[in-house]
Amino acid sequence: DQQVKQNSPSLSVQEGRISILNCDYTNSMFDYFLWYKKYPAEGPTFLISISSIKDKNEDGRFTVFLNKSAKHLSLHIVPSQPGDSAVYFCAASAEFTGKLIFGQGTTLQVKP
Amino acid sequence: SQTIHQWPATLVQPVGSPLSLECTVEGTSNPNLYWYRQAAGRGLQLLFYSVGIGQISSEVPQNLSASRPQDRQFILSSKKLLLSDSGFYLCAWSQGLTYADTQYFGPGTRLTVL
Repeated sequence: DQQVKQNSPSLSVQEGRISILNCDYTNSMFDYFLWYKKYPAEGPTFLISISSIKDKNEDGRFTVFLNKSAKHLSLHIVPSQPGDSAVYFCAASAEFTGKLIFGQGTTLQVKP
Repeated sequence: SQTIHQWPATLVQPVGSPLSLECTVEGTSNPNLYWYRQAAGRGLQLLFYSVGIGQISSEVPQNLSASRPQDRQFILSSKKLLLSDSGFYLCAWSQGLTYADTQYFGPGTRLTVL
């Protein structure tokens, strides 16, 4: 049972344009959501998070949107840069469980 | 600042051999510790987590075990490796269990079982 899904395995975007990565979840108990970025042969790096009491959180070029009714979140990267090319994982947790449930990841390629 | 170490970085082991992967965290005390596995082409799967010394919770039945002999040390073990144990193993830590406690990952260990 995949509780967190990233249905697009890959995404290709031109440098300077917007990258939109999507994530869907099924468990209504999830109340905290995170995005991680991962380069090959390295551990994931935390990017940005959002709690269920918000619908938007912004940090520089990265913005995460949460639509609780649709059980959907997205990560916007504007403008996209070649260094953003990596695998992006969304993750969700229910408060006080301390456990993250990850999606399968989306490979983003930003072309110069 | 806090840092997390994992070793070895890569490991090639024959089927049936034992396994020991180590993870240590510096710069914090009483962290929550986690072991994840990323199989080829798949997401990260939580294997074990620990909220304190000697306290281990297993998320999936498998050929692996975990131990926490010291506050900032987390070990992943197996008595006999299977081909299906191949993957990228990641250790992570967090300070608490609330939603504000982000998990931070180590560099990972690439395990290939032949």
